[in-house]
Amino acid sequence: GENVEQHPSTLSVQEGDSAVIKCTYSDSASNYFPWYKQELGKRPQLIIDIRSNVGEKKDQRIAVTLNKTAKHFSLHITETQPEDSAVYFCAAMANQFYFGTGTSLTVIP
Amino acid sequence: NAGVTQTPKFQVLKTGQSMTLQCAQDMNHEYMSWYRQDPGMGLRLIHYSVGAGITDQGEVPNGYNVSRSTTEDFPLRLLSAAPSQTSVYFCASSFGGEQPQHFGDGTRLSIL
Repeated sequence: GENVEQHPSTLSVQEGDSAVIKCTYSDSASNYFPWYKQELGKRPQLIIDIRSNVGEKKDQRIAVTLNKTAKHFSLHITETQPEDSAVYFCAAMANQFYFGTGTSLTVIP
Repeated sequence: NAGVTQTPKFQVLKTGQSMTLQCAQDMNHEYMSWYRQDPGMGLRLIHYSVGAGITDQGEVPNGYNVSRSTTEDFPLRLLSAAPSQTSVYFCASSFGGEQPQHFGDGTRLSIL
């Protein structure tokens, strides 16, 4: 089956700096790559997604890049704010969803 | 729309007991899934369904059963609870497999 690896597991940045979270996957059949944000004690919520026919997608301060050849995709958050502090999960869809193990992002005011 | 509704929110069971976690969605989504979330392990897929009458196993299906008799409901059954099944369980739904998933609030299950 698919194997999704996510790095780093924890990340601290100063408010206003950028944050980058990286994921790799193993199954070349994966075609859909969502990112979820989960605040403490809450449900995961989709923040952005990308499909295999697109190399980059942006939504305000959030962007995702995908390199299908290298089988990796990344989440970029610019101008970070304290409310961006949460756990972020990447996922890959190859018949079923496989999630990364999460990155705990802390934005220091 | 209520979205995805999970019940109960909290449950404590004894080893060997059985129970059903309920999941209902009112968005006419075909695709529904059950995940468990354990510290440091992300979300792992237990079972999923692409439509009424169709279910399939995910990454960690052992010890769990599901059924999908209607589009709206997707219950998860623990047959004989074990301490290793202590976890937070999330139900999710979407229009299709490669579509954004909407998650419920989760069920926090402890097995003693």
